[in-house]
Amino acid sequence: EDQVTQSPEALRLQEGESSSLNCSYTVSGLRGLFWYRQDPGKGPEFLFTLYSAGEEKEKERLKATLTKKESFLHITAPKPEDSATYLCAVQVPGNQFYFGTGTSLTVIP
Amino acid sequence: SQTIHQWPATLVQPVGSPLSLECTVEGTSNPNLYWYRQAAGRGLQLLFYSVGIGQISSEVPQNLSASRPQDRQFILSSKKLLLSDSGFYLCAGRGTNEKLFFGSGTQLSVL
Repeated sequence: EDQVTQSPEALRLQEGESSSLNCSYTVSGLRGLFWYRQDPGKGPEFLFTLYSAGEEKEKERLKATLTKKESFLHITAPKPEDSATYLCAVQVPGNQFYFGTGTSLTVIP
Repeated sequence: SQTIHQWPATLVQPVGSPLSLECTVEGTSNPNLYWYRQAAGRGLQLLFYSVGIGQISSEVPQNLSASRPQDRQFILSSKKLLLSDSGFYLCAGRGTNEKLFFGSGTQLSVL
């Protein structure tokens, strides 16, 4: 059974305190791994797509990496505006996308 | 750009009443379309997906159904709502890019 697990469920950081979010997956035939940001009451916004182990993508203070079993979203020197829920999703053969339960990030000024 | 229009933003319905949520897609043709539900503080649960007109795949047995009468239109329905149908409903599409793009969601409260 395809499964996506994110940890931690919630994370509180001081402004400037770097950390990492984890997304581990068990799927048959990974087509791609996606990271999204979701603000309360809104639809998720796309951040990154990763396709193969060893791949890395960066955008401002965020960097996503991928191994054969998990992905990390590294947040460097976060700011309060980075507070949101971060979701990862896997695409499997057959057009389905499965999401993890998300990590709720709070950055304290 | 690829855009999902989804409405209404908020909906309060009594138990046993019918439901119809609609989303439309702009900026791409023949998209794959998806309905997700998100419970408070939880991840997205895939409900239905469609690869074309009239083609619907259901992920979980439930009180809901979906239809795709036109290429860029996806409808989520129920004949009789249950309390457990409450949640945040998101329509998503996948067009020429591999990524999913989302609508703004509908917060459904069944009372």
